[in-house]
Amino acid sequence: DGGITQSPKYLFRKEGQNVTLSCEQNLNHDAMYWYRQDPGQGLRLIYYSQIVNDFQKGDIAEGYSVSREKKESFPLTVTSAQKNPTAFYLCASRGQGAYYEQYFGPGTRLTVT
Amino acid sequence: SQQGEEDPQALSIQEGENATMNCSYKTSINNLQWYRQNSGRGLVHLILIRSNEREKHSGRLRVTLDTSKKSSSLLITASRAADTASYFCATDSWGKLQFGAGTQVVVTP
Repeated sequence: DGGITQSPKYLFRKEGQNVTLSCEQNLNHDAMYWYRQDPGQGLRLIYYSQIVNDFQKGDIAEGYSVSREKKESFPLTVTSAQKNPTAFYLCASRGQGAYYEQYFGPGTRLTVT
Repeated sequence: SQQGEEDPQALSIQEGENATMNCSYKTSINNLQWYRQNSGRGLVHLILIRSNEREKHSGRLRVTLDTSKKSSSLLITASRAADTASYFCATDSWGKLQFGAGTQVVVTP
């Protein structure tokens, strides 16, 4: 999985609770990304960060928050405002430049009941 | 919104056969990438084709890109059971990837 770790693999939470998903990379990549995947669908971009202390909203940022205090780490918080948080969450990173692929972590499956 | 759209949604073939899937997109791109995802796992990068390239090969994979038609195709030759996975195209516009819904490929022995 290319030097990106996500933990835990499975996470269960009660409705109304915030939960933070961890993503760490040791690839020395500047850019990091969070995606959400629902069954039978492609990936949708939640947030991304091109550099430390800076991040931008993706297509579905509502109900999520992120921070980028260190180059290696890009945690995602799923807040109680997210209406349908149960999903598979994938973190990715990439090097600088226009022709680099993204490296993905193994994902965290979040179930909220 | 998802820029890339794959076709077909699902494909079932026998070992040794070729598998072809297509991807269409809507806006201009820097490059187009193909990824594979085994069930419940992260995505693995397969191949990247730049906007000024028309064809690229990597092992049993062949990718074409037609920017005038805004389409790409992925060909897997001599498929194996281990090729069973979902395949996604992703268009890259200055670091932001937009993924399609994927093609689910099943290769039976």
